[in-house]
Amino acid sequence: DQQVKQNSPSLSVQEGRISILNCDYTNSMFDYFLWYKKYPAEGPTFLISISSIKDKNEDGRFTVFLNKSAKHLSLHIVPSQPGDSAVYFCAASGNFGNEKLTFGTGTRLTIIP
Amino acid sequence: ETGVTQSPTHLIKTRGQQVTLRCSSQSGHNTVSWYQQALGQGPQFIFQYYREEENGRGNFPPRFSGLQFPNYSSELNVNALELDDSALYLCASSLGTGGYGYTFGSGTRLTVV
Repeated sequence: DQQVKQNSPSLSVQEGRISILNCDYTNSMFDYFLWYKKYPAEGPTFLISISSIKDKNEDGRFTVFLNKSAKHLSLHIVPSQPGDSAVYFCAASGNFGNEKLTFGTGTRLTIIP
Repeated sequence: ETGVTQSPTHLIKTRGQQVTLRCSSQSGHNTVSWYQQALGQGPQFIFQYYREEENGRGNFPPRFSGLQFPNYSSELNVNALELDDSALYLCASSLGTGGYGYTFGSGTRLTVV
């Protein structure tokens, strides 16, 4: 039972353009969402999060959008840089982040110079 | 401030053997959560330890067990290893039990042959 889904295993984007990574969830108890970035041979590192009381959160080049009615969130990276090439995981939690994380399967983003 | 350290980084074991993986939590953190990441999958929650007690467990059999020590470091033990146990095992430490504050280690790559 995959409660958090990332349907695109991979994505290639030209440097300087916008990267959009998508994530869907099925559990309506999830109310806190996070994006993690993972390089090979390293652990996931936190990128940005959003609570269900908001529909957008920005941090520099990274913006996360949440559509609660569609149970969908997306991560926008603009402009995309070569160092953004990594695997991106969407994760969800209940009780406003006070519960364990449930992860999606990840999307491998490749930025083409 | 030191991060999360996991040892060993790589390990090869034979089916039926037992293995112990270790995690030193980040300074100031009192909670350790363990995740299993199989190839091509997202991390899956195994269990969490808070103040030396198990505080939540995912859908893993009892042969997966753990410990947390007074200095908040932790061990993950797996008995009667199976081929499907081959995965990257990630440890995350946090201050408090919420998933919002995780700092992940680089993981231990376990191969069962």
